[in-house]
Amino acid sequence: DAKTTQPPSMDCAEGRAANLPCNHSTISGNEYVYWYRQIHSQGPQYIIHGLKNNETNEMASLIITEDRKSSTLILPHATLRDTAVYYCIVRVETGANNLFFGTGTRLTVIP
Amino acid sequence: DTGVSQDPRHKITKRGQNVTFRCDPISEHNRLYWYRQTLGQGPEFLTYFQNEAQLEKSRLLSDRFSAERPKGSFSTLEIQRTEQGDSAMYLCASRGNRGQQAFFGQGTRLTVV
Repeated sequence: DAKTTQPPSMDCAEGRAANLPCNHSTISGNEYVYWYRQIHSQGPQYIIHGLKNNETNEMASLIITEDRKSSTLILPHATLRDTAVYYCIVRVETGANNLFFGTGTRLTVIP
Repeated sequence: DTGVSQDPRHKITKRGQNVTFRCDPISEHNRLYWYRQTLGQGPEFLTYFQNEAQLEKSRLLSDRFSAERPKGSFSTLEIQRTEQGDSAMYLCASRGNRGQQAFFGQGTRLTVV
């Protein structure tokens, strides 16, 4: 059910921007792109979502390509507490609105 | 703390025993979801409630799994005749009618020995 592809792992130096890519080439016109993260032994935490425009909030920025087939989550100044598994999910905003998780990207922020 | 609470946080049970987990969603949230997560995998959707109605249950893993939300508030997930393969983290999430983000609890970690 997961319709996204992410690299299994990435490293980022503390204080630098972390850019996490996601491919969703089969995304439909009414599907949103969501990002969640999961820190060890905790439940997933919402980060950001978007439809076709770029979005920014206090946690991150989301850049969606014009054809919507891929996106990038940007953590502008990564800290050690950003070490987590990051999930990119596409979801239609009708019905149950289930989240179908893939295996995500394990981001390790290095001091 | 997301406002979604799960109880217990950890459960160790012997194979063949029944277990029940509880989820208390954020109070005004009418949508409630259960997920299972095994080591190294993302959460796997199990079932969904809107208020007290269980609108999606085809993803429950077997007939040993059942869930209820009798008054549209808290929910329980029961596993009968547990097997070692049931060992996993069981996550609950809730969502409001207008909200787009789901809030997850900390999960219940089940170990079947």
